Amino acid sequence: DQQVKQNSPSLSVQEGRISILNCDYTNSMFDYFLWYKKYPAEGPTFLISISSIKDKNEDGRFTVFLNKSAKHLSLHIVPSQPGDSAVYFCAATRQMQGAQKLVFGQGTRLTINP
Amino acid sequence: EPEVTQTPSHQVTQMGQEVILRCVPISNHLYFYWYRQILGQKVEFLVSFYNNEISEKSEIFDDQFSVERPDGSNFTLKIRSTKLEDSAMYFCASRVTGQLTGETQYFGPGTRLLVL
Repeated sequence: DQQVKQNSPSLSVQEGRISILNCDYTNSMFDYFLWYKKYPAEGPTFLISISSIKDKNEDGRFTVFLNKSAKHLSLHIVPSQPGDSAVYFCAATRQMQGAQKLVFGQGTRLTINP
Repeated sequence: EPEVTQTPSHQVTQMGQEVILRCVPISNHLYFYWYRQILGQKVEFLVSFYNNEISEKSEIFDDQFSVERPDGSNFTLKIRSTKLEDSAMYFCASRVTGQLTGETQYFGPGTRLLVL
C-alpha cells in the first residue's frame, strides 16, 4: 500500500537555509494533508496541515504547498534550525469519511548542520 | 498544553501472552485511535473508536486485538495472544470530534512492545 510516498529517506541542510521535504500521494479521495515531526522515542508531533481547497498554508517558519493536479505536497522550513533535525512524516486523510484515519508516508530524516 | 499520555513506555512479553496498552486521550476529545510502527516501517492505522464503538479497523486488527474505553479517561488496546510480529511501537491518538473538517490527530509518546 503506497498511497502516500516520501521518496527521500534523508535530507541534509545547512542551518539558516531552506529545507524542502516532498510527499506524493496516489489516492485522489484524500482531501486533507498533515505534516508531523518525530524525535526518537517520542510520538509524532503535529506541525502543519492543509485542506485540498487551498494550495498553501503558512505557520511561522513552516509552509506547506499542495499541488492537487500533481498529487504532490511539500513542506518548506525557512530558516532551518538545528532543532528541526528529526524525522518528518507526511499524512493524508479524507475529511468527511468519519474515522479520518491517517495514511502515512515512510518519513524523511532531516538533519540540519550547523 | 493538554497531551495524550501512554503507559507503559516499554513492555517486554513472551509470545502467547496477553498485553494491555493504556492511553489517556486529551480530555475533550471524542475520537480515539491506535496506530503502530514496526521498526523501519511506516506508521500504520490499526483502529478508530468513537461513541464507545469501533468506527473503523484495518486488516491488521484481527480477532487477537480489542479496544476498550473502560472509564471516562482511559482507552486501552489489548492483544490477546502476542506474536513475534506484534513487536512494534504502538501510538495512541485522539481528536476533538467528527463534526468539523480538518481536525488534527494528536499522538501520545508511544509504547514500545517487544515480543520474545
